[in-house]
Amino acid sequence: DVQLVESGGGLIQPGRSLRLSCTASGFIFGDYAVNWFRQTPGRGLEWVGFIRNKGYAGTTEYAASVKGRFTISRDDSKSIAYLQMNSLKTEDTAVYYCTRQLDYGDYRIDYWGQGTLVTVSS
Amino acid sequence: DIQMTQSPSSLSASVGDRVTITCRASQFISSYLNWYEQRPGKAPKLLIYAASTSHSGVPPRFSGSGSGTDFTLTISSLQSEDFATYYCQQSYSTPWTFGQGTKVEIK
Repeated sequence: DVQLVESGGGLIQPGRSLRLSCTASGFIFGDYAVNWFRQTPGRGLEWVGFIRNKGYAGTTEYAASVKGRFTISRDDSKSIAYLQMNSLKTEDTAVYYCTRQLDYGDYRIDYWGQGTLVTVSS
Repeated sequence: DIQMTQSPSSLSASVGDRVTITCRASQFISSYLNWYEQRPGKAPKLLIYAASTSHSGVPPRFSGSGSGTDFTLTISSLQSEDFATYYCQQSYSTPWTFGQGTKVEIK
């Protein structure tokens, strides 16, 4: 079965850094793009960014709200993707999800992890 | 950015009812439209992709239609486990964007 498991969330002070991990199993991780999304009651579901598979040079794209502060990377040998979050702001508080995405064709996002809560507060 | 607008924002329905949710994109997105179901405290689950193709394991009562800018999700006969929030999402161009959600509640 396809599984994605996020970890690394928690309470963090504004301005600090945090790294989330997304551990995949049940499929060939390197064949897929990985997205990070976040969700809050006020802003709904929001795309954070993604990393494409190595066939597309592992290129990354980010939402304007996190560009320059967040970095997505991947280690296909371990089937793990990372979201490095620097200079965190209170508005980054959310549940963060990683997802698998087809990197061609209909680009469907077909599986999500269970989410991990990040709370940015002093 | 492509704006996705769903309607209604919420609805009340009974088991067995036919339910229709609409989603409109602010610009042409061909058939790059996905539908998700989310239950409280859980992650979204894919129901429909490419506007009208059912994801593996999704019950046949769920169907999708549309192309261009206007799309519809239909639940032909609402079941108790279908009371949840439904989202549309475009995968035409980044940033991927979602509708605000439609909460389906028990009448």
